[in-house]
Amino acid sequence: GESVGLHLPTLSVQEGDNSIINCAYSNSASDYFIWYKQESGKGPQFIIDIRSNMDKRQGQRVTVLLNKTVKHLSLQIAATQPGDSAVYFCAEILSGGYNKLIFGAGTRLAVHP
Amino acid sequence: DGGITQSPKYLFRKEGQNVTLSCEQNLNHDAMYWYRQDPGQGLRLIYYSQIVNDFQKGDIAEGYSVSREKKESFPLTVTSAQKNPTAFYLCASSMTRVAGYTFGSGTRLTVV
Repeated sequence: GESVGLHLPTLSVQEGDNSIINCAYSNSASDYFIWYKQESGKGPQFIIDIRSNMDKRQGQRVTVLLNKTVKHLSLQIAATQPGDSAVYFCAEILSGGYNKLIFGAGTRLAVHP
Repeated sequence: DGGITQSPKYLFRKEGQNVTLSCEQNLNHDAMYWYRQDPGQGLRLIYYSQIVNDFQKGDIAEGYSVSREKKESFPLTVTSAQKNPTAFYLCASSMTRVAGYTFGSGTRLTVV
């Protein structure tokens, strides 16, 4: 069936360290992936996206890696800051049909000083 | 500035009452969505609309209703048939092509 899942529900890191948040997806027909950040009591915010014809995409302090062979997606945050503390969701879009995002359960990132 | 606005931010409902959550966008997006989020869980799709005057059930539509009379607006009614309505409700919009969603800031509904 359709599913996007995350390996770790909670990730604790020290300020300044790099963070890696992982996500597994099950549908090989997915062709677009997005990472969202959700702070407490707020709506999710777009962080970075990647299309299935790419393996890596970099933004400001964030990098998304896509491994289609094992259907795995990761978000790397460099020099993690206290403001990065939030829940991170990965989402996939299936090719064909309407623009439907399938969300994973989320990983909570806790950054400690 | 373009964006998507949900109101109210907090809403309290007595058991047996219907309540309507507002969602307005000025992004000129064709598609709009409603999601429910429970504590410690991900987003579950309630309803979506790809075009005015048309909408489809999502994964958990029972106990909810929507309308899409205008492109900018997609209100969600939580009816008395929804047995466990206490949750955080998120509205989103997007273009119909493959694209990410823009989310509102959410409405927290509590049954008292």
